[in-house]
Amino acid sequence: EVQLVESGGGLVQPGRSLRLSCIGSGFTFGDYALSWFRQAPGKGLEWVGFIRSKADGETTEYAASGKGTFIISRDDSKGIVYLQMNSLKTEDTAVYFCSRGVWGSYRYFFDNWGQGTLVTVSS
Amino acid sequence: DIQMTQSPSSLSASVGDRVTITCRASQSIDIYVNWYQQKPGKAPNLLIYPASSFPSGVPSRFRGSGSGTDFTLTISSLQPEDFATYYCQQSYITPLTFGGGTKVEIK
Repeated sequence: EVQLVESGGGLVQPGRSLRLSCIGSGFTFGDYALSWFRQAPGKGLEWVGFIRSKADGETTEYAASGKGTFIISRDDSKGIVYLQMNSLKTEDTAVYFCSRGVWGSYRYFFDNWGQGTLVTVSS
Repeated sequence: DIQMTQSPSSLSASVGDRVTITCRASQSIDIYVNWYQQKPGKAPNLLIYPASSFPSGVPSRFRGSGSGTDFTLTISSLQPEDFATYYCQQSYITPLTFGGGTKVEIK
C-alpha cells in the first residue's frame, strides 16, 4: 500500500524558517516525482512545487508564491521529500500535503496524498 | 498563469441525482485536467486524470470529459459518500492551478 506521511508542521513566527518532511512507503520512491500542495484554512487547494525523479534530473519547479523562499529536495535512500520554507509569512499558514506525481499521457497527475501537516505562521 | 474557473461553487442535490460540475480554462490545455474529491479534514482523492481516465477503485458513476478549455465532471447517480468538495486542476503547464472547488451538499 502506498503511504505518504508528512511531519514538521507547527507554530512559527513570521520571518522564521521551517522544514517539512514527507516519508513515502509502499512504492519505489525514487521512480516518482513528489509534489507539495497547501490549503489555507477554509480555502481551496494550491500547488507549491514539485521535484522530478532522479531519472528526470531531480529538477524542481515552484509556484510564484514560494519561488526564492521555498526549496524542495529529496533523499531517495531514505524515501523522504523535504520542503524547506524560509522567510515565512502569515499567508503561508495552511495544511501542507505531499503527493506522488505520476507521469501519464505526457503530464503529471497526483494519485496518492499524505494526510497533511498544519503550519501556522503567527507572532 | 492558467486560470481554472469552476462552476457552480456549491450545489444541493439528492441521493440518486445526476450532478454535473464544469471547469473552464483561460486558455487551451488539451486534455490535461485532473479531478479530485476532498472530504472535510481529509486529503484530496484523485478521481479522474487526463482527461477521462480514472484510477482503480473509483466508482464508474464518476466520469470526466472535455478538451481544450471546457471540462466536465459528471456523477451519474449521487451516493451518500459523494457529498464532498470537488476540484479540477490543470496539469498542462506550470504553475499547476486549481479551480475554486464545488461543494456538493445534501438537499
